[in-house]
Amino acid sequence: EPEVTQTPSHQVTQMGQEVILRCVPISNHLYFYWYRQILGQKVEFLVSFYNNEISEKSEIFDDQFSVERPDGSNFTLKIRSTKLEDSAMYFCASSEALMKNRVGYGYTFGSGTRLTVV
Amino acid sequence: QKEVEQDPGPLSVPEGAIVSLNCTYSNSAFQYFMWYRQYSRKGPELLMYTYSSGNKEDGRFTAQVDKSSKYISLFIRDSQPSDSATYLCAMTPLLYNQGGKLIFGQGTELSVKP
Repeated sequence: EPEVTQTPSHQVTQMGQEVILRCVPISNHLYFYWYRQILGQKVEFLVSFYNNEISEKSEIFDDQFSVERPDGSNFTLKIRSTKLEDSAMYFCASSEALMKNRVGYGYTFGSGTRLTVV
Repeated sequence: QKEVEQDPGPLSVPEGAIVSLNCTYSNSAFQYFMWYRQYSRKGPELLMYTYSSGNKEDGRFTAQVDKSSKYISLFIRDSQPSDSATYLCAMTPLLYNQGGKLIFGQGTELSVKP
């Protein structure tokens, strides 16, 4: 079964450093997303990406965050200057369409990158 | 009022029990309703999805949506120890310009004891 692959599985970084989280979405999917989950809290939407541009972003996704699809397969999330409160699990997801025949919502999530900012 | 509310549990049941998991929501624009299962330190895995109101059954799982009450449920019959996980409800509005984002509940931690 096709998978969304995320690397690394765990990243430790010092406060103020830049990090890049990487994702390989499912190959025929068109929509890409980043979510995060702070320990013990809800999964929260960060950003959606379609046709090489951001289609929606949350208030969490401020100027220190950016996303990019540098080639035909990778989808990255960059955090420019990490803060302690950025420590969380970051999930990449992809979907074939927003609404497929109105009967499904084919989001597939990756296993996540656990980011620890020290 | 939170957009989506879900009792975090934990919920502990004996093997074979019927499990009922629930979420309430406040945004009447939500049209698609999903249940995800999440194992520790893993990504959410889609279990069930429902469009608008009604019931949907898939094996031991039944999803129900009552839009008039803004209430959704997931029932697990003949629960197994392998069902032990966190169950997340998620929902999204119909409108295209919402970007397809999912709004998640807190998640309910379920433990099924042998």
